[in-house]
Amino acid sequence: DAEITQSPRHKITETGRQVTLACHQTWNHNNMFWYRQDLGHGLRLIHYSYGVQDTNKGEVSDGYSVSRSNTEDLPLTLESAASSQTSVYFCASSETGDVAEQYFGPGTRLTVT
Amino acid sequence: GQNIDQPTEMTATEGAIVQINCTYQTSGFNGLFWYQQHAGEAPTFLSYNVLDGLEEKGRFSSFLSRSKGYSYLLLKELQMKDSASYLCAAMDSNYQLIWGAGTKLIIKP
Repeated sequence: DAEITQSPRHKITETGRQVTLACHQTWNHNNMFWYRQDLGHGLRLIHYSYGVQDTNKGEVSDGYSVSRSNTEDLPLTLESAASSQTSVYFCASSETGDVAEQYFGPGTRLTVT
Repeated sequence: GQNIDQPTEMTATEGAIVQINCTYQTSGFNGLFWYQQHAGEAPTFLSYNVLDGLEEKGRFSSFLSRSKGYSYLLLKELQMKDSASYLCAAMDSNYQLIWGAGTKLIIKP
């Protein structure tokens, strides 16, 4: 069965360190997204990609970067982790097209100390 | 600005009916999504409305009024497993989803 996975599921890191969160999908979807979810806020879009070599900034992209070298993977990098980046991070993918349901990964809980 | 409003928390009784409301303000509109999210898990898709009216899918129905910027999710014959957060998301003119903070639904026996 097709799926979308994230690793690690939990991560504790120190302020200033570089951290990379992995996202891998076997749906063969062109569209991939990274969100963060914090209490009292809706999901907020960090970066998104509509295909290989395509990346775009979302609402809260400062301090984050992504790269898309193949269809399956969209890793999210925190260049220099800050305590404000403590959050739950969700990766999602969807079929090509403007309006399509998004399939979410299980999430990564990141704590920056 | 763009904004989604939905109640923070609701409580209902097993077997009853509950309606979760959502109002939205977006730059352009390309449809309204509802997702379910159990605690500690990923959101999962429930419904999509782009035309006015009611869409029924088993025990769950979703309604949209574009002129009022309003949607609701109706859950019938509530079961304990329906205890979850329900996320409303509107798609704007750039086809980006604007998410509400979610409504936590508590089901009591």
